[in-house]
Order: sequence, then structure tokens, then C-alpha cells
Amino acid sequence: GAVVSQHPSRVICKSGTSVKIECRSLDFQATTMFWYRQFPKKSLMLMATSNEGSKATYEQGVEKDKFLINHASLTLSTLTVTSAHPEDSSFYICSAKMTVNYGYTFGSGTRLTVV
Amino acid sequence: DQQVKQNSPSLSVQEGRISILNCDYTNSMFDYFLWYKKYPAEGPTFLISISSIKDKNEDGRFTVFLNKSAKHLSLHIVPSQPGDSAVYFCAASALMARAGGADGLTFGKGTHLIIQP
Repeated sequence: GAVVSQHPSRVICKSGTSVKIECRSLDFQATTMFWYRQFPKKSLMLMATSNEGSKATYEQGVEKDKFLINHASLTLSTLTVTSAHPEDSSFYICSAKMTVNYGYTFGSGTRLTVV
Repeated sequence: DQQVKQNSPSLSVQEGRISILNCDYTNSMFDYFLWYKKYPAEGPTFLISISSIKDKNEDGRFTVFLNKSAKHLSLHIVPSQPGDSAVYFCAASALMARAGGADGLTFGKGTHLIIQP
């Protein structure tokens, strides 16, 4: 079945630095990918929708200059958390939408800890 | 404003019995619903989905029921097994509402299902 690979699975960084998270669709082309964030004991919140070759669409309240999304190819979308702060510590998950059966496949997530 | 609600944070069921997880939604534009299973520090795993043109979809031990008039759906797992213990998320999408059909999912807060031996 469709597989979405997300790396890294876990990252610890210092305040003020930037972190890049990659999301790849391994055996299919994903024209649309989504980035979610999950706080402890909360639901997954959609951050942005990433379309190949165009600018990402951000949800209300999400800073586009802080969370840079690049969807340069049909198999790769990246999320860069710029100038990270401790409040950015969270679990980030990407998802790709299948066009065949309207399914959404998720990556395994990235646990970001900013110290 | 929580558009997808899972009002039970946790549910404990005896092994072999039926597990029923409930989900309510408020946005009438939602026309596609999904259930995901999630373990800590992992991404959600797709279980089953249902389109608003149906009221029931079954896949093995999993059945999803949709009551559009009540804006309510439920996931039935029978018989429940120890490996079913996880957090279950209900998600919804306004799939057909937008041109192209590409839309992010709106998730509920999840229900922690605990299967007791």
C-alpha cells in the first residue's frame, strides 16, 4: 500500500536554530500533502496544505514565516521550523492524499524538542 | 470551536466484547469520515472510512455507522482484541465541497480504548 516516510522521527535542537522535517511518498505521487501538529493529549491540528509547485496554504493562526513549507516535487514536502523556540516543541505529522480512493496516508511523525 | 467531537476520552472494554466509539460533528459540509488508530509517538494508521452517501461500511472486525441527520458516527469493533488498545481518532473532510477535492482533515481529540483481558 501507499507509504509516507517522514524523517527525522525525533530531533532535539537549541532555541534559535532551524529544523527541517522531510516527508516523502515512497510508491506514489502526492500532489497534495498536509502538515499537522499534535500537542500532548490533544487532537491533530492541521497546520498547512502543501501543493506541489505552488505556495502552501496555511490555516488560521499558523505563522507562515515560522513554518516554511516546500513541496518541490511530487514525492517530497519539507517543513522547516525556523528560529525554533521551546513552545514549538511538539509532534509534527505529515500526510499525503491519495487520489485513487480518497485515502489519507500519514507519516510516522517527528517529535521536536526545543531546549 | 470543535467541529469534530469525541466526548469520551477513554473507554474500557473486555476482550471479546464489542467496542463502540462515538463521534459527533457540527459542520454540515463534511461529507467524508475516517477513523484512525494511533499509538504514542507514531503517525495515525487508517482503519476505515465512510462517504456521506452511505450509512454503513464494514471491513472485517470494523464497522462504521453514519447518521447524517444526527451528525453522528460510530466505530464498532467486534470482537475486541488486546491489540486494539490504542487511541482512536475520528476525522472528517469536506471532500466534495471544494474544487479538486483536496482538503485537510479535521480531527476529534481521540478516545483511548483499553481492552481488558
